Parts: sequence; structure tokens; C-alpha cells
Amino acid sequence: AQTVTQSQPEMSVQEAETVTLSCTYDTSESDYYLFWYKQPPSRQMILVIRQEAYKQQNATENRFSVNFQKAAKSFSLKISDSQLGDAAMYFCAYRSAYGSYGGSQGNLIFGKGTKLSVKP
Amino acid sequence: IAGITQAPTSQILAAGRRMTLRCTQDMRHNAMYWYRQDLGLGLRLIHYSNTAGTTGKGEVPDGYSVSRANTDDFPLTLASAVPSQTSVYFCASSERLAGGIEYTGELFFGEGSRLTVL
Repeated sequence: AQTVTQSQPEMSVQEAETVTLSCTYDTSESDYYLFWYKQPPSRQMILVIRQEAYKQQNATENRFSVNFQKAAKSFSLKISDSQLGDAAMYFCAYRSAYGSYGGSQGNLIFGKGTKLSVKP
Repeated sequence: IAGITQAPTSQILAAGRRMTLRCTQDMRHNAMYWYRQDLGLGLRLIHYSNTAGTTGKGEVPDGYSVSRANTDDFPLTLASAVPSQTSVYFCASSERLAGGIEYTGELFFGEGSRLTVL
């Protein structure tokens, strides 16, 4: 079974600085997706960024970028020029690309989350 | 606005009562999911449905049931609520290639339902 580990329960960053959130995962599959979701106090789940495992190039979305190391099974999120609105819970998630009987059904497997605080 | 609608947004109920959390999507996604979120545990899958008429158990299915009579609706029922079911519940959906087992893209989430069982 796949697992996702976020080893940093809480992180803090100064406004305008850069912060990196860590995520590791365990899988025997070769085709999969990785995601970072943001959950602000409103509790809405917002997709920040996604990465397809077959792509070597790291995904970027404006101030958000990832460092995807497939061999090391690592998927960290870098937030540049941090803003007060970035304060939230961040979840790393894994999704199999293919379902299988008795196995993956396309659901996301989540880490336990990292709470990010942004100091003004 | 297209998306997923959950109801109620918040509910307090007495232990032993029956409760149904409603979930409706208008994106015509064939795969739908129910998760519960608990502090320090992240989100855990309760039940899923790959297409209308089929459902399956996730990681924490005990005490919950679901049905999928059509593509758009995926209600979650607690037959007899217990305090350990106090949680925030999220419904989600995604595309699944028709006739196959390949999944594409991300899950889209509703805004969650906070349930307190006393």
C-alpha cells in the first residue's frame, strides 16, 4: 500500500521569504500523480500544484514550485516570496494513475499535513 | 458555479441518531469519494464510487454507508451516530476514463461538513 509522510507538523516563515515543505512517499508503482493541496481556515481544499510521475521537469505555478525526486520518492513544495495569505494547512497527496481490483480506486492518499504560519 | 455542493455545512446531533450528509456535483464526474478529516490524521477515505450504481469501502468505512443512484449524488449515511464520528467530512469527485481504469488529474472537493456527535 502507498503511504505519504509529511515530517514537519508545523512550519513558520517570514513574509517575503522562501519556505520549503517536505513530503516523502512510498510506492511500488511507476505511474502516479503527486499533489499539494492548501487548506486555509475556511477549510476549503485548494489545489496548489500537481506533478505527473512520468514528467522529469518540476512543476511550477507562480510562486509555488516542487522538487520532485522520483528515485528518492521525495516531493517538496517551495513557496517563494511568502504572503500572509499563504498561511494554511498544506497536504501532500498521492494518486495512482491506474486502478486495480482490490487496490487503488483512484482516491488520494494524504499525508498528515503541515501547518504553515506566515509572520508579518 | 460548477462544483460540488455539500449539505449541511455544520450539524450537531445526539449519539444514536441517524444522519445523512448530502453531496451533489455538476461536473459529470464518474468517480466520487467521501473523506473524513481529523486533527493530526489528515484526510482518510471512508467510501468511494467509481461510477453510478457501484460503491466500495475505503480505509475507515465502519459505521458509514453510501449509495450512488445517479452520477451527480453521493450521500453518506451514519445509521447510528457515535461521538468518535465527530469530524469534518469532505466529498470529492474526479474524472475517470469511461470503460477503463485510468484516472486523470486531481480531485475536486466540496467545502466540507462539520459534524459533532454528543
